[in-house]
Amino acid sequence: DTAVSQTPKYLVTQMGNDKSIKCEQNLGHDTMYWYKQDSKKFLKIMFSYNNKELIINETVPNRFSPKSPDKAHLNLHINSLELGDSAVYFCASSRTTIGGYTFGSGTRLTVV
Amino acid sequence: ELKVEQNPLFLSMQEGKNYTIYCNYSTTSDRLYWYRQDPGKSLESLFVLLSNGAVKQEGRLMASLDTKARLSTLHITAAVHDLSATYFCAGTQGGNEKLTFGTGTRLTIIP
Repeated sequence: DTAVSQTPKYLVTQMGNDKSIKCEQNLGHDTMYWYKQDSKKFLKIMFSYNNKELIINETVPNRFSPKSPDKAHLNLHINSLELGDSAVYFCASSRTTIGGYTFGSGTRLTVV
Repeated sequence: ELKVEQNPLFLSMQEGKNYTIYCNYSTTSDRLYWYRQDPGKSLESLFVLLSNGAVKQEGRLMASLDTKARLSTLHITAAVHDLSATYFCAGTQGGNEKLTFGTGTRLTIIP
């Protein structure tokens, strides 16, 4: 199936731990994103990569580090997790010249 | 910087009724999107509106764009229970592919 797939779907971890979320798209898109959806359902962009190059880096704590090994993958590593990091993280991709986004199914991160 | 406001935040409506969700944005937006999100699910793309006066329809949903008023609307006709979901509008600006989302409208259709 053509899609944006993220793993894991659920992640429960203790404060202070380091965790990673992986994202892969097989749509041939050249831009990938991480969005955060908080408990009030508000969605905000965190990062964007175009052909492995970081192009958007919103005001996000530097505990969050994205990595794009190739244009089909964008992973998110989070160090020293805090309670406030609990949220749903969505990966998305788009083809820059056409627009239109495809979102992954989300990773629900719970920090306890 | 683009800001997107949506209203209402919550909407309960009876089956068979019509209603409209409003999306105002602060500055020129290149494209205006509407998404649907079911509880615990991902975002499903509904419409992309590119130019002033654009109108798109799919089933009971119709979206329009007025770039002069910086307003997009999502109109629901003869609502059915299956339309219960959270609806988001989002815009992009200045060739930047970043989506700026509205706050979402949680729509509940009651029998």
